[in-house]
Amino acid sequence: GQNIDQPTEMTATEGAIVQINCTYQTSGFNGLFWYQQHAGEAPTFLSYNVLDGLEEKGRFSSFLSRSKGYSYLLLKELQMKDSASYLCAVIDSNYQLIWGAGTKLIIKP
Amino acid sequence: SAVISQKPSRDICQRGTSLTIQCQVDSQVTMMFWYRQQPGQSLTLIATANQGSEATYESGFVIDKFPISRPNLTFSTLTVSNMSPEDSSIYLCSAHGTEWNEQFFGPGTRLTVL
Repeated sequence: GQNIDQPTEMTATEGAIVQINCTYQTSGFNGLFWYQQHAGEAPTFLSYNVLDGLEEKGRFSSFLSRSKGYSYLLLKELQMKDSASYLCAVIDSNYQLIWGAGTKLIIKP
Repeated sequence: SAVISQKPSRDICQRGTSLTIQCQVDSQVTMMFWYRQQPGQSLTLIATANQGSEATYESGFVIDKFPISRPNLTFSTLTVSNMSPEDSSIYLCSAHGTEWNEQFFGPGTRLTVL
């Protein structure tokens, strides 16, 4: 079966750095998305990785290792507005999007 | 990037009735999808809306319950038929362009069935 694992919940302090991990087992791989979703709102696109390595975009970076079936989202200089759920999703060989359950990130002052 | 709008944004409906949700994209997109998201859960794909042909449904979802239309490349509708309280959820329209790294979501429709 296809599976995506992320921690259910994480807590971090304002101004700090947090890394949210995602491991996947899917039938094929055509890319990995990270989305941010605030409560009651639709997901918003953060990043897309299809090649190994780190992609940096401002305070957010995303890393991918295809051989390990692993990705992480790194958030730096955390702000209170970063409190949200972070969803990992993988495109499989049939170009289906497989979604993780999401990681709820709680930022404390 | 594409901008997606949905109508209605929320509704409260009676058991046994039907609701049609509209999704409008401000540019032509290749693929349109309908998702459901239960409270505290991740997204579940209902179906892929195909332009000019029947939608492709995921396991556990059927056309009689969730009829979908896609008359052109910028518009789709999802109907939730014969509703029950178990259908209470957020319904999200999603689309992507020619490249898979462009994936956009509408604001969602929050449905409550009494």
